[in-house]
Amino acid sequence: KAGVTQTPRYLIKTRGQQVTLSCSPISGHRSVSWYQQTPGQGLQFLFEYFSETQRNKGNFPGRFSGRQFSNSRSEMNVSTLELGDSALYLCASSPQTGWGWGNTEAFFGQGTRLTVV
Amino acid sequence: AQKVTQAQTEISVVEKEDVTLDCVYETRDTTYYLFWYKQPPSGELVFLIRRNSFDEQNEISGRYSWNFQKSTSSFNFTITASQVVDSAVYFCALTLNQAGTALIFGKGTTLSVSS
Repeated sequence: KAGVTQTPRYLIKTRGQQVTLSCSPISGHRSVSWYQQTPGQGLQFLFEYFSETQRNKGNFPGRFSGRQFSNSRSEMNVSTLELGDSALYLCASSPQTGWGWGNTEAFFGQGTRLTVV
Repeated sequence: AQKVTQAQTEISVVEKEDVTLDCVYETRDTTYYLFWYKQPPSGELVFLIRRNSFDEQNEISGRYSWNFQKSTSSFNFTITASQVVDSAVYFCALTLNQAGTALIFGKGTTLSVSS
């Protein structure tokens, strides 16, 4: 069974540009969550998508957005990139949303390392 | 507000030593879930354990054990007879049932095991 796949693995962008990251969850999983990991702030929740709807959102500016397709693949977009957006972006997938439906864990991908110069 | 504190930023041990990673959490909810994840240099987070708030039973899995104490809001992780392969960053995380699958992570503890 394939794991969570994130593409690309590495990305270098210039300030002011926009970027789109992709996440393919484990087959059959309907929930996809995104996290930003930086040395200063650690791991922070960005948003969760479940059945093509944003289920929950963390405390990030509107420049960060996402969407989910009917096959559960998800993309996140960051517009008007800032130097502080340089981070490892991790995607996690789960069969369902919430933890009362038999979800036992969130499965993480290897992340996309974004560098903004 | 919910919060997870991992006070130990870095720990260095020699192989075969036992090591305990501390995790203290804050929440006013009565139903919540606690996790430990391991992050090796490759970057992906590897699930270690999940514990429900209504289940305070401690757990042992091989060299790993977890001590969950609601009275002190702690969920500590002990590695017995550490090995070099245990070197990684370890994260404790908290989630609420109504928060979807959003995880609130601690800042992590970097464990270095030398031979």
